[in-house]
Amino acid sequence: EAGVTQSPRYAVLQEGQAVSFWCDPISGHDTLYWYQQPRDQGPQLLVYFRDEAVIDNSQLPSDRFSAVRPKGTNSTLKIQSAKQGDTATYLCASSFGGGEVFFGKGTRLTVV
Amino acid sequence: QQKVQQSPESLTVSEGAMASLNCTFSDGTSNNFRWYRQHSAKGLEVLVSIFSDGEKEEGRFTAHLNRANLHVSLHIREPQPSDSAVYLCAVSMWGRTNAYKVIFGKGTHLHVLP
Repeated sequence: EAGVTQSPRYAVLQEGQAVSFWCDPISGHDTLYWYQQPRDQGPQLLVYFRDEAVIDNSQLPSDRFSAVRPKGTNSTLKIQSAKQGDTATYLCASSFGGGEVFFGKGTRLTVV
Repeated sequence: QQKVQQSPESLTVSEGAMASLNCTFSDGTSNNFRWYRQHSAKGLEVLVSIFSDGEKEEGRFTAHLNRANLHVSLHIREPQPSDSAVYLCAVSMWGRTNAYKVIFGKGTHLHVLP
């Protein structure tokens, strides 16, 4: 069974640039999570979906971050006008119901 | 809002000595607890999952859950230098509209000295 796939693996931006991260969850998984993990910290939940519906995006900086999962499968997380404070690894994860959560390898973002 | 706190932030043990890590959570309806390990710049590796009070062992890793005390711990038997990593506690609960929410602590940095 293929795991959670994320791309790109790395991104380097200048402040003010935009970037999109893509996630392909495990087939059949209804719940998809996006986490931000700054260096030397635990993953912080940004947003999660059940199927195509956003369940909770309260931790997403809504003025610059957006996330969609239009068909309840793949998902895109976008940062408009990146800031140095956005430097982190962005992790996507998926699960089916309350089962085990599987993580992708992450996208490491550096904003200079 | 669920809060998950881990202690200590950093722990140094000698090879072969037991390592004990702690995690407290605030939402008593949480029903699923996992410990992950993360080596530097690598992905998350699940070590042990526990769903009911008591103990769950997976190889050298044992989790203890005490829901009444809002506490889950991880004990690593005979740690080796290769166990040096960040250990993350993840607490899950049913959120709105029956979607499962997973919240992490900030992690414990474990250093195992040879």
